[in-house]
Amino acid sequence: DGGITQSPKYLFRKEGQNVTLSCEQNLNHDAMYWYRQDPGQGLRLIYYSQIVNDFQKGDIAEGYSVSREKKESFPLTVTSAQKNPTAFYLCASSIVGGANVLTFGAGSRLTVL
Amino acid sequence: AQSVSQHNHHVILSEAASLELGCNYSYGGTVNLFWYVQYPGQHLQLLLKYFSGDPLVKGIKGFEAEFIKSKFSFNLRKPSVQWSDTAEYFCAVKYSSGGSYIPTFGRGTSLIVHP
Repeated sequence: DGGITQSPKYLFRKEGQNVTLSCEQNLNHDAMYWYRQDPGQGLRLIYYSQIVNDFQKGDIAEGYSVSREKKESFPLTVTSAQKNPTAFYLCASSIVGGANVLTFGAGSRLTVL
Repeated sequence: AQSVSQHNHHVILSEAASLELGCNYSYGGTVNLFWYVQYPGQHLQLLLKYFSGDPLVKGIKGFEAEFIKSKFSFNLRKPSVQWSDTAEYFCAVKYSSGGSYIPTFGRGTSLIVHP
């Protein structure tokens, strides 16, 4: 089945450590996105990418980094510079243009101890 | 700045009650509108969408939404909710002008349906 795979599902991190969240899709979508979901704040865009080797900052990019070396993969690194990293992280993908309906992964829950 | 407002943050209903969740957006240009749903423990998924044509859109599981351009609104409705509708609901808007393809999401509405 086509879809988006995020891993790990749960992750614990000590303060000061970087952590990388994986996102892989086999939908042949050009665009990929990372959102952060916090209670009462909805989905906030961290980074997005329309094409390999290119990506743009979203609304809350500070303290995060991404790469897009392959069309299928869009990993997110939560760095030690992120002030409040405990959150639920969602990866999504879509075609570019037209309907632009997003397909989401199951999410990764990061807890900083 | 473009924004999406969902007026109801928490809604609690009994089964068979009618549901209406409000969604307003801030921009007056051409828009594509979406409602996504996140059932407990499941992926966020598309409930319904509006691109053009009939402003009354029907989605999965008996949900519908009406696009009222003059009110910049896209409210979600269901005549009779079920316990299984317990979920978080997100309204999203994609603004067609300006070359942006990124949808903007509202803050979400948590719906609890009591059996």
